[in-house]
Amino acid sequence: SQKIEQNSEALNIQEGKTATLTCNYTNYSPAYLQWYRQDPGRGPVFLLLIRENEKEKRKERLKVTFDTTLKQSLFHITASQPADSATYLCALEAGTASKLTFGTGTRLQVTL
Amino acid sequence: DGGITQSPKYLFRKEGQNVTLSCEQNLNHDAMYWYRQDPGQGLRLIYYSQIVNDFQKGDIAEGYSVSREKKESFPLTVTSAQKNPTAFYLCASKKTSGTGGSDEQFFGPGTRLTVL
Repeated sequence: SQKIEQNSEALNIQEGKTATLTCNYTNYSPAYLQWYRQDPGRGPVFLLLIRENEKEKRKERLKVTFDTTLKQSLFHITASQPADSATYLCALEAGTASKLTFGTGTRLQVTL
Repeated sequence: DGGITQSPKYLFRKEGQNVTLSCEQNLNHDAMYWYRQDPGQGLRLIYYSQIVNDFQKGDIAEGYSVSREKKESFPLTVTSAQKNPTAFYLCASKKTSGTGGSDEQFFGPGTRLTVL
């Protein structure tokens, strides 16, 4: 069956360091992979989209990689700040034209 | 300002009652979605609609119903047949239907439903 895995344990890092979050998937061949940020009690907010033929995508302090051989995406936040503390969700198109399937998310905590 | 609104933010319901959650968007988006999120869980798709007067079941549609009579509106009814309705409900929209994962989804602020 199709599965998306994100580390369920919270990631705690110090301000200024680079945070790296992992999204692994099985039994998918997605053409696109998306990352969202979700704050407690709020709806997710889109961050980045990467296509299967793109190895890397950057936006300000964010970087996403997409390895279709390893079936893995890595999400990096450089020079992390306490304001980056949130849950980060990856999402893949679900094999039909209009659906996304979301991972369970990884909570990031950036401390001073 | 363009966006998606959901109301109410908090909703309490007695067991056995149906309840309708509102979702409105003024982004002129074609596709709309309803998700359910339980604590520590990802988003699970309940229903989605790619065009007015048409909608499809998602992964967990049992006990829910929707309508899409207007492009801007996609209300979700949680019926008494839903065994465990207490959850955080999120509505989302996407500009173009049928484009899969190539378009971002825009989310509303969510409705937290509690069954007493």
